[in-house]
Amino acid sequence: DVKVTQSSRYLVKRTGEKVFLECVQDMDHENMFWYRQDPGLGLRLIYFSYDVKMKEKGDIPEGYSVSREKKERFSLILESASTNQTSMYLCASTPGGRMAYEQYFGPGTRLTVT
Amino acid sequence: AQSVSQHNHHVILSEAASLELGCNYSYGGTVNLFWYVQYPGQHLQLLLKYFSGDPLVKGIKGFEAEFIKSKFSFNLRKPSVQWSDTAEYFCAVNKGSSNTGKLIFGQGTTLQVKP
Repeated sequence: DVKVTQSSRYLVKRTGEKVFLECVQDMDHENMFWYRQDPGLGLRLIYFSYDVKMKEKGDIPEGYSVSREKKERFSLILESASTNQTSMYLCASTPGGRMAYEQYFGPGTRLTVT
Repeated sequence: AQSVSQHNHHVILSEAASLELGCNYSYGGTVNLFWYVQYPGQHLQLLLKYFSGDPLVKGIKGFEAEFIKSKFSFNLRKPSVQWSDTAEYFCAVNKGSSNTGKLIFGQGTTLQVKP
């Protein structure tokens, strides 16, 4: 059974803190993604990675960075959290190559920055 | 820039009513199309997908969607909704040439079904 896990369901941080969100998939997928989900805006892609140590910016990368040191793990980093980064963060993965199709999602991390 | 537009942001229906949620995309090339659903408190999960072939695709729980290439649309339908269909629905598109699986999502439609 496909599984994507995220380190926390709920997180509360203070403005200026460095925040790490972790995502792990057990399906040996090449591609991994970080989105944020906000009401009325749908899912917006922050960053994605198509291989270990490889990453590309998505639509809203400002204020975020990522790390992928192992194939199964993709981390999202908020270098200095701000209140406008309060959101639901979703991680997803998908196989690589021409068979890339539906994404498998984790349960999400609801981050509140105060 | 490529975009995906869902026309209805919030839909309220009574049980047994028919459902149609609109989705239009702006990319002109070959596309793969998806509908995802997020039930309250649950993961986002795939409802159905279209890659090629019959433009009418059937998904889980009695949902179906029709790809109309000339209209750049992929509308979701269900003939008779149930209270358990209350959820948020997202349309998504990726380029047919993509091998990264990168998706562009619509804004989402919240469906509330009254018992």
